[in-house]
Order: sequence, then structure tokens, then C-alpha cells
Amino acid sequence: NAGVTQTPKFQVLKTGQSMTLQCAQDMNHEYMSWYRQDPGMGLRLIHYSVGAGITDQGEVPNGYNVSRSTTEDFPLRLLSAAPSQTSVYFCASSYSMAMNTEAFFGQGTRLTVV
Amino acid sequence: GESVGLHLPTLSVQEGDNSIINCAYSNSASDYFIWYKQESGKGPQFIIDIRSNMDKRQGQRVTVLLNKTVKHLSLQIAATQPGDSAVYFCAENRAGGTSYGKLTFGQGTILTVHP
Repeated sequence: NAGVTQTPKFQVLKTGQSMTLQCAQDMNHEYMSWYRQDPGMGLRLIHYSVGAGITDQGEVPNGYNVSRSTTEDFPLRLLSAAPSQTSVYFCASSYSMAMNTEAFFGQGTRLTVV
Repeated sequence: GESVGLHLPTLSVQEGDNSIINCAYSNSASDYFIWYKQESGKGPQFIIDIRSNMDKRQGQRVTVLLNKTVKHLSLQIAATQPGDSAVYFCAENRAGGTSYGKLTFGQGTILTVHP
């Protein structure tokens, strides 16, 4: 049982490049989400999914796309990277959207856009 | 709105002391609150949670207090250890409507425990 696995751990992109941050969980969780964490700030929600085939925007969705074709995977796509997207990205999953449900976080992907 | 800044609040304590980390939340409709611990280079780790129908909840060495009147949350760590050094975040789950299920995180507090 690996929990939430994110790849890669580190990435450097040039402005305008595209890439996909991978997130996978093996806990059969319905709810998955992506956050970004910037210096001196808490985590901010980018996109989330309440189940396979269902996604929705969070607080800071611009510049990011997501899809949820399976329960296990929830990739985050940057179509045209910008320096403002330099951040640490965390994927999280939980059993459901309901309250009292603990969210499990991955180890994070540190992205630098130059 | 969310406070933004480059400098997180910090708390320095001696090993063995009790620590109290505070958090203010803004939405009176929030129903559920969580404290997370984040060590350097790692993802946030769940510590303890509390629902809005409670004002206190205890775990192992940790206690969360909720004061809905002033919208304040605190995390108390008993007999703080060097391994408790980390950034601590409070998060609120705003119930109802399109906000349901979305966690909103506070800025975080850096706890440093000196041996």
C-alpha cells in the first residue's frame, strides 16, 4: 500500500513548455485534489475530482487542466508553463468528500519554470 | 481574504515544554477543521480534526480547541519533542454549496523545538 504517489519529485521547465504531473493512489479513494504551495502561504486548491469522470475547479485553476479517467490516477497538466507556476505541487486523496474524512497527501513535486 | 506574506509566524520552544499554535478562520459556515503537520520536503500529514459541534478534542499528546464565537482554533502539543519541529497548518472545510469538500488552508506556523 503506497498511499499517494507523485512523479516527478523535481522538474525544471522553460516558459511555454507543457508537462503533466502524475498522481496515483492505491487506496480506492473517490476524492482527489491538487494543491500548490508557495513560500509563506498555505496550500491553495487548483482542481479536484469527486470520482472517475468528474472534475471541478478549485481556487486557482487558471493555467492547469485535469482529467480523471480512472479512480487511481489524477494527472495535472500545464499546457504552457509560466514563471508564476513555479511552486510545489501536492496531490491529495480521501475516501470521500464528506467531512471527517482524512486527506492523504503525496510527497510533492517541486516545479521551477524559467 | 487570505493573508499573504513571505514570513510565517514562528514559535520556538524548549524540549519538554507545551506548545500552543493558533489559527483564526474567517468563514462561520465552516463545519470541520483539521490540523496538519508538514516537515521539510514532505507533504502535509494529518494530526487531528474537530467538527464544529465540538469545542475540544484530544489525541495522543495533542489537543485541538475550537472557539466558534471568535472563530479561533488552537493546537496544543504536550511535552514537545524535537521531532515536532515542522510547519503546522490549520484547514477548514466549508460546508454546503459549491464549497463542500474543499479544504481551505491557513498560512502556517513554524514550530522549532530546541533540545
